[in-house]
Amino acid sequence: SQTIHQWPATLVQPVGSPLSLECTVEGTSNPNLYWYRQAAGRGLQLLFYSVGIGQISSEVPQNLSASRPQDRQFILSSKKLLLSDSGFYLCAWNPGQGAKQYFGPGTRLTVT
Amino acid sequence: EDQVTQSPEALRLQEGESSSLNCSYTVSGLRGLFWYRQDPGKGPEFLFTLYSAGEEKEKERLKATLTKKESFLHITAPKPEDSATYLCAVKSNTGKLIFGQGTTLQVKP
Repeated sequence: SQTIHQWPATLVQPVGSPLSLECTVEGTSNPNLYWYRQAAGRGLQLLFYSVGIGQISSEVPQNLSASRPQDRQFILSSKKLLLSDSGFYLCAWNPGQGAKQYFGPGTRLTVT
Repeated sequence: EDQVTQSPEALRLQEGESSSLNCSYTVSGLRGLFWYRQDPGKGPEFLFTLYSAGEEKEKERLKATLTKKESFLHITAPKPEDSATYLCAVKSNTGKLIFGQGTTLQVKP
């Protein structure tokens, strides 16, 4: 069976510091991968998605970036965090031909 | 512009009191409507996919229905463990999921 992992689970970072969040998927090959952000009381906002290694599409202009160095690894990064980057970050995947997305446990990021 | 609106934002029910959650959508070429359940501090958990008007899906106390403009999530005789935020999302012909804001359900014993 497939599983999706995210770490860290929680993170508190000062404004201006760098960020690296990691997501890995097990039990499948060539998944589509997604990064979402969920602000308090708001819906999920798609940030990035990837259909293959090195292939990244950005949905929202911002100071975040994403990379996919391996087939089942997706990384969300920032060089300098802003207060507005605080939120709940979710990674998701689905099979190349499927529609249903499966979500990871999430990372709670607080920028102070 | 593709859009999803959920109502109400919050719903309080007594245990056993049935009700419905609404998801209204406008989308260019619906390729699926999805319901997820999200517990506090956790990732969304998939519940149902609906593809065409008139389709219905059931799971325990939950039943999802779909029309050309909206979907309903009916909760029959809810229990406290049904308390969660319920998210609706649509997939358009762009291939991306558009999420609503969610309905937070609280079921009191």
